[in-house]
Amino acid sequence: QKEVEQNSGPLSVPEGAIASLNCTYSDRGSQSFFWYRQYSGKSPELIMFIYSNGDKEDGRFTAQLNKASQYVSLLIRDSQPSDSATYLCAVVFSGGYNKLIFGAGTRLAVHP
Amino acid sequence: DAGVIQSPRHEVTEMGQEVTLRCKPISGHDYLFWYRQTMMRGLELLIYFNNNVPIDDSGMPEDRFSAKMPNASFSTLKIQPSEPRDSAVYFCASSSGQGYSPLHFGNGTRLTVT
Repeated sequence: QKEVEQNSGPLSVPEGAIASLNCTYSDRGSQSFFWYRQYSGKSPELIMFIYSNGDKEDGRFTAQLNKASQYVSLLIRDSQPSDSATYLCAVVFSGGYNKLIFGAGTRLAVHP
Repeated sequence: DAGVIQSPRHEVTEMGQEVTLRCKPISGHDYLFWYRQTMMRGLELLIYFNNNVPIDDSGMPEDRFSAKMPNASFSTLKIQPSEPRDSAVYFCASSSGQGYSPLHFGNGTRLTVT
């Protein structure tokens, strides 16, 4: 069973702090990893993708990938109340072509 | 770019009725996906197509569900007969299939079966 695991939260952080969201996956052969953000009542929207071990930065967002530990994370620096949403980790498992499997999501609440 | 277009946005129907959800992918995208989202099970992949051909329907919950893609610009997901447990938000998404291309989601159809 190929799985993507996330802590459901809620993760509560004060405005201006760093929010750290974590995700583990079961398939060691997975090659591509995505983070989506979903506001309540809206559709998921892509934040970042990462394929190589290490860090990838885009503005206030940093994705971190450790394939040996089967672990991917998303850091949000200088968190804002507008970042309050559910963050979905998604993985393309080996042999899955473009088949994206999502975790259950972590709800983030940024309070002023 | 109009994005992925789904219709209807909301559907309320009675148990036993047939429900048809529609999707128009982004032009030029070769892959089309149908997902279902509920509080209990999260975002589940039901089926996906490549170049109009179903590739993996292992997520389709049972024979009451069927999906078609008669051409590159249109897909349907049909539930017949519908049951209350089918109540969920159904998303359609498309991707270009070039390298590790991300999914672009439609706005979803919120289905309520009473």
